[in-house]
Amino acid sequence: AQSVTQLGSHVSVSEGALVLLRCNYSSSVPPYLFWYVQYPNQGLQLLLKYTTGATLVKGINGFEAEFKKSETSFHLTKPSAHMSDAAEYFCAVSDDAGGTSYGKLTFGQGTILTVHP
Amino acid sequence: DSGVTQTPKHLITATGQRVTLRCSPRSGDLSVYWYQQSLDQGLQFLIQYYNGEERAKGNILERFSAQQFPDLHSELNLSSLELGDSALYFCASATRGNTIYFGEGSWLTVV
Repeated sequence: AQSVTQLGSHVSVSEGALVLLRCNYSSSVPPYLFWYVQYPNQGLQLLLKYTTGATLVKGINGFEAEFKKSETSFHLTKPSAHMSDAAEYFCAVSDDAGGTSYGKLTFGQGTILTVHP
Repeated sequence: DSGVTQTPKHLITATGQRVTLRCSPRSGDLSVYWYQQSLDQGLQFLIQYYNGEERAKGNILERFSAQQFPDLHSELNLSSLELGDSALYFCASATRGNTIYFGEGSWLTVV
């Protein structure tokens, strides 16, 4: 079974500061890893994903994440926070469902990011 | 716009009633997923269909059922509704090797 743990349900940073949202996963097979963002009253938007290859993945809006197999982590970072980054962020893990498509996503509990002026 | 369309966007219904949520996947996507998002349970996987066949099942109640039609749209049927079924229901779609894209969700309120 797969699982995802997001450390910290709330993270608060100042505008311009580093954003670090932590995600650890558990998977018995090579994982596919995702970060999604959810703005208030909106759906989930993909920020970035790791499938294979380069372990440092760059996404939209200046976010990036690094897959560290030895640490079973996939932390999300952004060098300089912007007010518009305030949202809830979800880390998710999936497996390859027999090559037909991605298997189901297992989500973490989410981290609410607050950005102070 | 993710290309995944869900209707209705908002729905208020009474306990004991039945509702149907509809999802149109992105053009060409064969997989459809349903998720439930609630305050106490977070984002939970309900069920996945691939090209009309059930592929995986998660924490879906027996009162809930889903299907995927030949044109690949999907419906999630929720019956004998309870107050605790109030949640945001997401549909998502994907094609082999590609990203899973989410719709904007259907807000269900059971009163």
